[in-house]
Amino acid sequence: EVQLLDSGGGLVQPGGSLRLSCVASGFSISTNYMSWVRQAPGRGLEWVSLLYSGGSTYYADSVKGRFTISRDDSRDTLYLQMNSLGAEDTAVYFCAGSLTRYYFEYWGQGTLVTVSS
Amino acid sequence: EIVLTQSPATLSLSPGERATLSCRASQTVSSSYVAWYQQKPGQAPRLLIYAASSRATGVPDRFSGSGSGTDFTLTISRMEPGDFAVYYCQQYGASPRVFPFGGGTKVEIK
Repeated sequence: EVQLLDSGGGLVQPGGSLRLSCVASGFSISTNYMSWVRQAPGRGLEWVSLLYSGGSTYYADSVKGRFTISRDDSRDTLYLQMNSLGAEDTAVYFCAGSLTRYYFEYWGQGTLVTVSS
Repeated sequence: EIVLTQSPATLSLSPGERATLSCRASQTVSSSYVAWYQQKPGQAPRLLIYAASSRATGVPDRFSGSGSGTDFTLTISRMEPGDFAVYYCQQYGASPRVFPFGGGTKVEIK
């Protein structure tokens, strides 16, 4: 059974940083496609970032230059380093994995990031 | 960049009724790149349909997807109590590499 466990969310001040983690079991993050998708309170879904098995990375324009996606294959863990956070980044962040790059098959339970002073 | 518009925003139905949800793209997209998700309150989204018409593993056959070009449809043949949720369409964009979602359709109990 595939399980993705998100963690690392919390309250952070504007301009601050946070690192999210997603531990995978039953699913190889090193040979598949891994993404982060977020959902602001009461809003729809927004794709944030994608990491290819080969290491290529892609970002939504809204986070480019501020967020970095990475992984530690030895720990089966995906990360999202978030810097220069603003109120607009307040959301539940989901990690998602897939055998293809076209859609998101498996999802974590989400971790809430709140940016507020 | 492709924009996905879902309609209606809210659909009020009774159990047993048929649900028809629309997703319209701002430009022609490949059917291979269209997916649908179901999300219940407090839960992560669940993949229902990929490549416009293929059901994901474990998805009941009352869910079906169709469409091509700019117009895609998710149909639930007979609503069951557990089907009342928000549904999102999503598309894969190759250049630039983006994954736009539609704004969602909430299917509520009438």
